[in-house]
Amino acid sequence: DAMVIQNPRYQVTQFGKPVTLSCSQTLNHNVMYWYQQKSSQAPKLLFHYYDKDFNNEADTPDNFQSRRPNTSFCFLDIRSPGLGDAAMYLCATSRDLGTRSEQYFGPGTRLTVT
Amino acid sequence: GENVEQHPSTLSVQEGDSAVIKCTYSDSASNYFPWYKQELGKRPQLIIDIRSNVGEKKDQRIAVTLNKTAKHFSLHITETQPEDSAVYFCAAPRNAGNMLTFGGGTRLMVKP
Repeated sequence: DAMVIQNPRYQVTQFGKPVTLSCSQTLNHNVMYWYQQKSSQAPKLLFHYYDKDFNNEADTPDNFQSRRPNTSFCFLDIRSPGLGDAAMYLCATSRDLGTRSEQYFGPGTRLTVT
Repeated sequence: GENVEQHPSTLSVQEGDSAVIKCTYSDSASNYFPWYKQELGKRPQLIIDIRSNVGEKKDQRIAVTLNKTAKHFSLHITETQPEDSAVYFCAAPRNAGNMLTFGGGTRLMVKP
């Protein structure tokens, strides 16, 4: 059974056209993360929520925003996608903060910017 | 912040041989070291992890060793099988242990 679900799996957007990626979880975990993974590279953390507390990484561009309306859902908004934002976007959850419990990853959304 | 380096970036072995992937980290306060496996087009999945109070942990064909003095840890896969082919990422915590920094990944290819 899917525990971390991401929709859509593939998203094509135009340069500069806002796009929203969605993540939902059935694990009732406190923490939700968004990672960006470019081809053949390690996942790079963009931000995370611990419950309702939002934590942005220092080097995450302002172009990237996130919302967590409830425990189960988290959204990644890219306000004005550039060609360099084409990547796989991974959502992950954990019961507690990073080192105290395993992170469960979703299948990812592959974003193409044309 | 934490800096995690992973070697090699690619590794090709014959089925049945062993594979070893090494990572070094910079933050001496790090105390948790997971390994994730990512098959082509799939999500990363935790395969084994180790905490700093032990030097080695085994789970069937995979093992992880940790040398805190030297600040490095390694993944060992014995009797490799074609289904072990994937990208493997090590990680270490940063910022007082809350977030993970991932290594650059190792693409393991097991030839039948």
